[in-house]
Amino acid sequence: NAGVTQTPKFQVLKTGQSMTLQCAQDMNHEYMSWYRQDPGMGLRLIHYSVGAGITDQGEVPNGYNVSRSTTEDFPLRLLSAAPSQTSVYFCASTKRGNTEAFFGQGTRLTVV
Amino acid sequence: SQQGEEDPQALSIQEGENATMNCSYKTSINNLQWYRQNSGRGLVHLILIRSNEREKHSGRLRVTLDTSKKSSSLLITASRAADTASYFCATAPYGYSTLTFGKGTMLLVSP
Repeated sequence: NAGVTQTPKFQVLKTGQSMTLQCAQDMNHEYMSWYRQDPGMGLRLIHYSVGAGITDQGEVPNGYNVSRSTTEDFPLRLLSAAPSQTSVYFCASTKRGNTEAFFGQGTRLTVV
Repeated sequence: SQQGEEDPQALSIQEGENATMNCSYKTSINNLQWYRQNSGRGLVHLILIRSNEREKHSGRLRVTLDTSKKSSSLLITASRAADTASYFCATAPYGYSTLTFGKGTMLLVSP
């Protein structure tokens, strides 16, 4: 099992560009989440999904879209990148029932 | 807003010493979990303690939970240089399907 796979690992965008951060898990987990990590801020929840076709907003959803068409994939879309979205993004998956979360290795995004 | 708050923000110790980190949270929880993050890497789950448990052990890790004070502590005994990392507590509030993370404690273990 690969666990949770995020691509790309690094990305530089210009302000106003759009892009999609990919996340895939092969553990058949129901729940998937996207977090951003900024210095001194810990991890903040952007969006999450409790199953295919179901998504909801987290603490900091503005500027991001998600969809969950399959159990395995949970892409995060930046609609129009802004410098404030410079961060490290982590995708996580969890089996239903508030058990341990499995994290990807992160995507380091810089918006210039 | 973030649920858990770790204390201290940073901790520096020598190899062989014990490291204690604390976490406070705000709402009722189903369980509390601790994660480790090595520099630039993803978070790795360490241990989970349920709301009806008071103490749990896993190898050199000991976690306590006091639901009356809404606090938890993580003790790492006989620390090693390889324990150098950031440690986060995460709470699973009742009725929610996501984890809420604190800001973390940076632990530095010097040889």
